[in-house]
Amino acid sequence: AQSVSQHNHHVILSEAASLELGCNYSYGGTVNLFWYVQYPGQHLQLLLKYFSGDPLVKGIKGFEAEFIKSKFSFNLRKPSVQWSDTAEYFCAVNSNNAGNMLTFGGGTRLMVKP
Amino acid sequence: EPEVTQTPSHQVTQMGQEVILRCVPISNHLYFYWYRQILGQKVEFLVSFYNNEISEKSEIFDDQFSVERPDGSNFTLKIRSTKLEDSAMYFCASTRSSGDTDTQYFGPGTRLTVL
Repeated sequence: AQSVSQHNHHVILSEAASLELGCNYSYGGTVNLFWYVQYPGQHLQLLLKYFSGDPLVKGIKGFEAEFIKSKFSFNLRKPSVQWSDTAEYFCAVNSNNAGNMLTFGGGTRLMVKP
Repeated sequence: EPEVTQTPSHQVTQMGQEVILRCVPISNHLYFYWYRQILGQKVEFLVSFYNNEISEKSEIFDDQFSVERPDGSNFTLKIRSTKLEDSAMYFCASTRSSGDTDTQYFGPGTRLTVL
């Protein structure tokens, strides 16, 4: 069975600081990887996804993530965060061997101080 | 931009009562999903649905749960006899196709509280 771990549960940063949120998954086959964001009071929205090609993927709002297959990781990065990035971030995976159900990590709650 | 909508936003019910959570997927989407998130825990997959049939379901989705697309727009999750442990946020999602790389679009969720 696939599983996803996000080791940072809460992160507090000042504006303009750099961000890296960790995501590790456990699955032996081919996976597709997603980062979703949930702003306060809003629904889950896709930030970016990876399924093939360049392991460095760029998403909306200046976010990017790098797939490192050897480390089973898909860390999310942003060079300079803004107060408006305050949200909860979820890493998720699915695989073509397990249907398209998403398996989520536990989420990381990011607070950016102005 | 089209969005998935869910009603109600918050449902409070007594243990043993039936509840129906409603979702309106994006209009040209064909695949529908329910997930739930118990407070403090991970978002968990419940069920996927296509062409009026369940495609996949998790161990959580037992006989107390059922899903239906009663008309051309709504997708519902019914819990027949609610238990305290059913208290959670329930999210509906939809995709245009069955591709595992397709983006799942989520609704805002229904918070179910079972007393």
